Formats: sequence, C-alpha cells, structure tokens
Amino acid sequence: QKEVEQNSGPLSVPEGAIASLNCTYSDRGSQSFFWYRQYSGKSPELIMFIYSNGDKEDGRFTAQLNKASQYVSLLIRDSQPSDSATYLCAVKGSSNYKLTFGKGTLLTVNP
Amino acid sequence: GAGVSQTPSNKVTEKGKYVELRCDPISGHTALYWYRQSLGQGPEFLIYFQGTGAADDSGLPNDRFFAVRPEGSVSTLKIQRTERGDSAVYLCASSQLQGAGGYTFGSGTRLTVV
Repeated sequence: QKEVEQNSGPLSVPEGAIASLNCTYSDRGSQSFFWYRQYSGKSPELIMFIYSNGDKEDGRFTAQLNKASQYVSLLIRDSQPSDSATYLCAVKGSSNYKLTFGKGTLLTVNP
Repeated sequence: GAGVSQTPSNKVTEKGKYVELRCDPISGHTALYWYRQSLGQGPEFLIYFQGTGAADDSGLPNDRFFAVRPEGSVSTLKIQRTERGDSAVYLCASSQLQGAGGYTFGSGTRLTVV
C-alpha cells in the first residue's frame, strides 16, 4: 500500500468554483501534513500546512484534517485559471523530518 | 540570495559518467534535504543532513549515490556511473530546525542521462 495516496486527476473545474483535492495516508503516527503546488517545469511550492484535526483557512485555501480517517484535503474557493497546477500532498511521520509525497493531483481551472 | 540555490539547473550527461549536483541552502539553515522527482511522481526522499553529518541516507537508491556537506552549508550530491534511470529532477531543501514545519525547495537540477 502506497503511503500517501492522491487521485491523479486531472480534476477540471470552472473558474469561480470550489476545487476539492483529497489525500489519504497510511502511517497513523504522522504528525503534520502539507500541501504543495507545482506548476509545470517548476519546483514544489508550500501553500498550506496543518497539524491538528479540523480546518485551517488561509485566504482562498482551506486545509482539512481528519486523523481518525487518515484523510487530509485542500479546498480552493473561487478557483482561478492561475490555480491550474499539480497539487502534492505530503506527510511528515514520526521521523519529524522526512516528507512523504503523493503523486499529486493535476488541477485545471477553465476560464 | 534569499532562497535555496541549486546548480546547474540542467545537466545532460552520457551513461556511465560521473556528475555532481550542488545545493546552497538558505543562510543559517542547519537542516538540508535532497529529494528526487521522476516524471509524473511526487518527490522522493534521498538524504537528510543535520549540520555536517548525514542523519538519514536511507533514501539513496544504491552505492552509486553519495552526498556530502563538509562545512555544514553547501551540499553536493554525487552520482557515479550514471544510468538512464537516474534521469530526474533533483531537488534540495533546507530548514532552520528539524521538524519546524514544511520546507522550501530550490528550483532543482534536471538531470538527463543519455
């Protein structure tokens, strides 16, 4: 079983809609959870992190964590074409330094 | 500069050759990480340095790969007898403290072995 799983997509949403990106992880000892955005040909860019169960909001982005279900998600409200990218979920386990990434979900926001 | 700097940005080498990839971390960051990203995949952990020492090199795929950080700042990832399967983007990141949140990646080195 892969440690961090994401739907590879592509996920296509119209401009202005809510994009919902999902991620599950296998290590119950995982402590912190991250979302990176990666534009084509560029390196990953950290956009959100969450440590505690519940929601964390930052502008148009909301990260949601449910440790009991081993599930983390990213909601993007009022999606813009500039949000079109691959979104990588990453989990930091008990080692507290190593990030394990999913394969990423390709998001396309259509004008 | 303010960010993590990686050189070269692109490297094309012939199968069997030796390559070195350089990472210059953010000033003052004691932790440094190397990851490798193949096409269509997420980054995969290679090695973690705390100061000058490799605290965890469990992600290095085989003994052709080696990394150093002699003065606790710049790090070099060395690949001997390169193979076509080594072609990937090699990413470096640094952080001030172990465990302190996520970390920022450099722009990467795209290695192509022909």
